[in-house]
Amino acid sequence: DVKVTQSSRYLVKRTGEKVFLECVQDMDHENMFWYRQDPGLGLRLIYFSYDVKMKEKGDIPEGYSVSREKKERFSLILESASTNQTSMYLCASSSHLRDRGQTQYFGPGTRLLVL
Amino acid sequence: GNSVTQMEGPVTLSEEAFLTINCTYTATGYPSLFWYVQYPGEGLQLLLKATKADDKGSNKGFEATYRKETTSFHLEKGSVQVSDSAVYFCALSSSGSRLTFGEGTQLTVNP
Repeated sequence: DVKVTQSSRYLVKRTGEKVFLECVQDMDHENMFWYRQDPGLGLRLIYFSYDVKMKEKGDIPEGYSVSREKKERFSLILESASTNQTSMYLCASSSHLRDRGQTQYFGPGTRLLVL
Repeated sequence: GNSVTQMEGPVTLSEEAFLTINCTYTATGYPSLFWYVQYPGEGLQLLLKATKADDKGSNKGFEATYRKETTSFHLEKGSVQVSDSAVYFCALSSSGSRLTFGEGTQLTVNP
């Protein structure tokens, strides 16, 4: 079974702090994604990566950066946390192989509260 | 660009009722279509998918048929259970690996 783990389930930070969210997958997937989930807005893509050291902006990258130094690990960084970044953050991974139907596998999520 | 529209929620049903959650899409090319489910306190998990027109995805009693002529992928279940209470997301992928999600539909099933 695919397993995607996220470093924290709940996190409380103060405005201006630098925040690191870590994601690890154990299925040797090439693609990894970071989303935020907000009520009424569904999931919005922040950044994704299709290979080590590669990254692409998603739909809402402002205020975020990412790092992918190893294939299994994808980190989301909030350089200076703000209250409007309070949200649920979901990490996902998928294989390059087209016959897998681009299925993404999700972690349990990190609920971040910025005070 | 790609977009997915789901019926507005929340949806509240009694146990053993019939469920339909509507999903329509706009996409270039020939997208793959997905339904994901999120149980309380958990991440999303794939419920079912269809990769070409007229395909039917099915899992755990849920079904959805890829209708290219109406650009729809409606989710149905003949008899819902309390354990089906969750948020359901329709999604599509038209190229590469990116998914475009709908807003999600909260389903509550009462005993």
